[in-house]
Amino acid sequence: KAGVTQTPRYLIKTRGQQVTLSCSPISGHRSVSWYQQTPGQGLQFLFEYFSETQRNKGNFPGRFSGRQFSNSRSEMNVSTLELGDSALYLCASRPGTSGKNNEQFFGPGTRLTVL
Amino acid sequence: DAKTTQPNSMESNEEEPVHLPCNHSTISGTDYIHWYRQLPSQGPEYVIHGLTSNVNNRMASLAIAEDRKSSTLILHRATLRDAAVYYCILRDVGNAGNMLTFGGGTRLMVKP
Repeated sequence: KAGVTQTPRYLIKTRGQQVTLSCSPISGHRSVSWYQQTPGQGLQFLFEYFSETQRNKGNFPGRFSGRQFSNSRSEMNVSTLELGDSALYLCASRPGTSGKNNEQFFGPGTRLTVL
Repeated sequence: DAKTTQPNSMESNEEEPVHLPCNHSTISGTDYIHWYRQLPSQGPEYVIHGLTSNVNNRMASLAIAEDRKSSTLILHRATLRDAAVYYCILRDVGNAGNMLTFGGGTRLMVKP
């Protein structure tokens, strides 16, 4: 079974631009979450989607948004990029949202650099 | 979710056992203890989880203190491939969502 895939793997943008990152979860997984990882703040939760609905949201400004499609693929968008948005963006999937122990499967991430 | 405390870094020799500690003094009765690790240039990967009893799997063992205020991840024979950042995370059984609250983790260095 293929793992979580994220595209693109690397991206360079300039301040003020917007960016869209894509995540394809493991086949059969319906829950997708996004995390931001920076050297200063570590791994921080952005949001979670299940069945095309956002279920949880982290403490990030409205410039960060996401969506999920009927095939469970997810995209996240960052508008009006700032230098501080440079980070590794990680996507994680799991089968559903119920249950206490659902292991999460992470993708390799998209490395975004904002110049 | 309650907070965890881990040492910033640890060193080990290859093929020796490694004990990675985690303190979680404010753990609640419904918190599960999860461990993930992140190898260089990769996303985190699940290692093991437990509630009260010690747990073993093919990757590691998890020893949980009787009062559940601390736990230890045990790698029985460290290899160079085990060099990673190890995260101890508490997750409320009532938290049906996907959110994991990562702390700083422990960077494990394995010497040949």
